[in-house]
Amino acid sequence: DAKTTQPPSMDCAEGRAANLPCNHSTISGNEYVYWYRQIHSQGPQYIIHGLKNNETNEMASLIITEDRKSSTLILPHATLRDTAVYYCIVRLPFLTGANSKLTFGKGITLSVRP
Amino acid sequence: NAGVMQNPRHLVRRRGQEARLRCSPMKGHSHVYWYRQLPEEGLKFMVYLQKENIIDESGMPKERFSAEFPKEGPSILRIQQVVRGDSAAYFCASSPEGSDGYTFGSGTRLTVV
Repeated sequence: DAKTTQPPSMDCAEGRAANLPCNHSTISGNEYVYWYRQIHSQGPQYIIHGLKNNETNEMASLIITEDRKSSTLILPHATLRDTAVYYCIVRLPFLTGANSKLTFGKGITLSVRP
Repeated sequence: NAGVMQNPRHLVRRRGQEARLRCSPMKGHSHVYWYRQLPEEGLKFMVYLQKENIIDESGMPKERFSAEFPKEGPSILRIQQVVRGDSAAYFCASSPEGSDGYTFGSGTRLTVV
């Protein structure tokens, strides 16, 4: 079972920031938070991951609370092409030797409106 | 550098036939994963393979399903005697040795009629 909970859906206006929440209250100390998205009918796409510090890349920013029980994915300027299902996943990094399978929940459907 | 290649993109089989789904990992990637996505559901892990070895098959149905990743050639997910409940999108992902850099393919959509 997925160790994360996400609202089923949200929407935002094109050009505005999209803030996607995720709860992971049972996360263990060495588990990372990963975000993937799945645009309609395509394979999942990696977005970003982090352990405890905030992270930013060309796609998004990841804000993890100090107690690590929740996080927020921020798309700073959402476009229509960002409409997708976004999955928040907690997992051990492969380099620890743990099984690297991903456990997907139902994700959150983001709809970006014109 | 081509991404993860899956073929066919769409596959239609009658009940009782066999389905063979192919996955060519990214160049240099030696780990392959198969996931299944039933309609209106999230992706579920099926199997994790390295060249010539099955590492984790905890998500594979116990009957009719098998997977291989031979020394040469693509990884194959084989479903024997397909039933309507096997209709789903099957996604393959690959990663290089010693890394969790997952890259997914575009999937094969299996329809059993």
